[in-house]
Amino acid sequence: DGGITQSPKYLFRKEGQNVTLSCEQNLNHDAMYWYRQDPGQGLRLIYYSQIVNDFQKGDIAEGYSVSREKKESFPLTVTSAQKNPTAFYLCASRGVRGSPLHFGNGTRLTVT
Amino acid sequence: QKEVEQNSGPLSVPEGAIASLNCTYSDRGSQSFFWYRQYSGKSPELIMSIYSNGDKEDGRFTAQLNKASQYVSLLIRDSQPSDSATYLCAVTLSGGGADGLTFGKGTHLIIQP
Repeated sequence: DGGITQSPKYLFRKEGQNVTLSCEQNLNHDAMYWYRQDPGQGLRLIYYSQIVNDFQKGDIAEGYSVSREKKESFPLTVTSAQKNPTAFYLCASRGVRGSPLHFGNGTRLTVT
Repeated sequence: QKEVEQNSGPLSVPEGAIASLNCTYSDRGSQSFFWYRQYSGKSPELIMSIYSNGDKEDGRFTAQLNKASQYVSLLIRDSQPSDSATYLCAVTLSGGGADGLTFGKGTHLIIQP
């Protein structure tokens, strides 16, 4: 069954630590995206990748980093430079241009 | 800044009635429009896509698009308590780039039994 898997579902970290969120897809999609969602807010684009070994900053990339070494995988690292990292993180992928995004189940990150 | 606007609600509708959700967008070149449903604590789930002017029906859901007015809406007929959720309007921006979606902040819909 095709889909997007995000892990872990919940993640707790101390301030000052880097943390990596996993995103794997078996939909054979070229494009992958990371969004952040805060309570009562819409989704904001952090990073996106349209092809292996290439990625671009979205609207709120500061304090985050990504890699795209394989088509199936697009991990997101939340660094200590991110001032307000506690949020719900959503990974998505897309097939042909203009088609809808498919979302993973999300990772809820809490930093204290 | 290209934007997607939605009334945040909450929008309260009696069970069995029609729920009407509205969305406006600023990018006149947008070509693809989507409605997602998001339950509390869950990820968004695609419920409707629409690409051309007019109405598109799928079961109890109807999406309506008017590109001249830069307006897209979602109607839910025979509303059920299980339809209570936040509904996100999403639009692809013109001009290339990420071709990801720009999302509105969502409308919180409550179906009253």
